[in-house]
Formats: sequence, C-alpha cells, structure tokens
Amino acid sequence: DAKTTQPPSMDCAEGRAANLPCNHSTISGNEYVYWYRQIHSQGPQYIIHGLKNNETNEMASLIITEDRKSSTLILPHATLRDTAVYYCIVSRNTNAGKSTFGDGTTLTVKP
Amino acid sequence: GAVVSQHPSWVICKSGTSVKIECRSLDFQATTMFWYRQFPKQSLMLMATSNEGSKATYEQGVEKDKFLINHASLTLSTLTVTSAHPEDSSFYICSARGGVGDWPYFGPGTRLLVL
Repeated sequence: DAKTTQPPSMDCAEGRAANLPCNHSTISGNEYVYWYRQIHSQGPQYIIHGLKNNETNEMASLIITEDRKSSTLILPHATLRDTAVYYCIVSRNTNAGKSTFGDGTTLTVKP
Repeated sequence: GAVVSQHPSWVICKSGTSVKIECRSLDFQATTMFWYRQFPKQSLMLMATSNEGSKATYEQGVEKDKFLINHASLTLSTLTVTSAHPEDSSFYICSARGGVGDWPYFGPGTRLLVL
C-alpha cells in the first residue's frame, strides 16, 4: 500500500470548515483513499473513502486531486466533538483493514 | 452503520495470567477481522488478520504463540494474550469487514493493564 504524509497537527475554530490534507504521491491506480478518525481512547471511526471522484456524505467531503497524489478531507462546520486524530490511509479495497495507520493529524477544534 | 463490539472494555490482570478479548460484529457477518495494538501516544499497529474458519496471519514481529487468535464464527473473533506481562499493557482494537472490498468497522477497544 502507498505511504501517506499528513501534518502532525492542525487547529480549527468551532463552526469553521476544517481542511485536512494528505499526500499520497505513490498511490496506484487501484488504491482507494480512506479516512478514519480516532477520538481519545476510542476505536477509529470510518469517515469516508474514494477512488478518484470527490465524495460527500453526512460527515465530510473528500476532495481528490486529478492526479490522485493528494487529497483533502473537509469537515464543513467543525464542532468541539470533531477534535480527534485523523488518519488518511491508501489501500486496495481488497486490502482494506490490513493497511498501515500512519501518525495522522491531530485536529483540535477551539471555541 | 455497522456495529462492532469488544468485551471487556478494560481489564486488569496479574503478570503471568492469560486474558481473552472478544470482538463481535453485531449486525453483519465478518469474513475478516483484524487485531491492532496501540501504545500511548502512538498509532495503531496491525497485529494479525483472521479469516473465519482459518488460521490467523500474523504481522512480522508478533508472536503467534503469545497472541492466540480464534475466528470460529462469522460474528466472533477472540484474542487471547497468554502469560501476560506488563509490557503487554496496551489498547487492543479489533476491526471487522463484511466482505472483500468492504471498508472495515472498528470496535471500541479494550484497555489491558498487566500488573
């Protein structure tokens, strides 16, 4: 699976959009981009995933660049409960779950 | 969304004893389950992958005789930490996947403290 690079930490004001970047320059054509988050002392929570098109669900939007070498997770209206570590993972869907979790981005939403 | 549970949520045991952790998929059949370990302020580390009815595949460096994994049914996998020692104290998390191509759902984790 391709390696990902994320900033170690980010701050965001409550109510504003949180944009979390992820670089995955070695991504292969059949690899998906998955996003999970882990709130302190809990198991990771699935957020969203995509292959090449932008995706949106009730939690977030995923923007994947045309060359697929990077992506951005957008939380449109961050709340204090969105404070967590966000992990970007690249994996073939047949390998989903077996992938390496990097260090992620610690997002702190501030009032 | 799909629900994965773990039991117990936390356990304290004496050094040398064995501890069993259960992972259940509550509303779907999990053909594959994964076990992770997470030390404080670190990321998740995959320990092993188990498919229902077959032997688990362990990641490099994980002792299969120490961390026994059983995936006897499509809704239950167990991780047994045998002869636990203080260095085994960690947060153990499972995830379950319904089928190839499905994204996995994670359990809430089990915190193990070995005294």
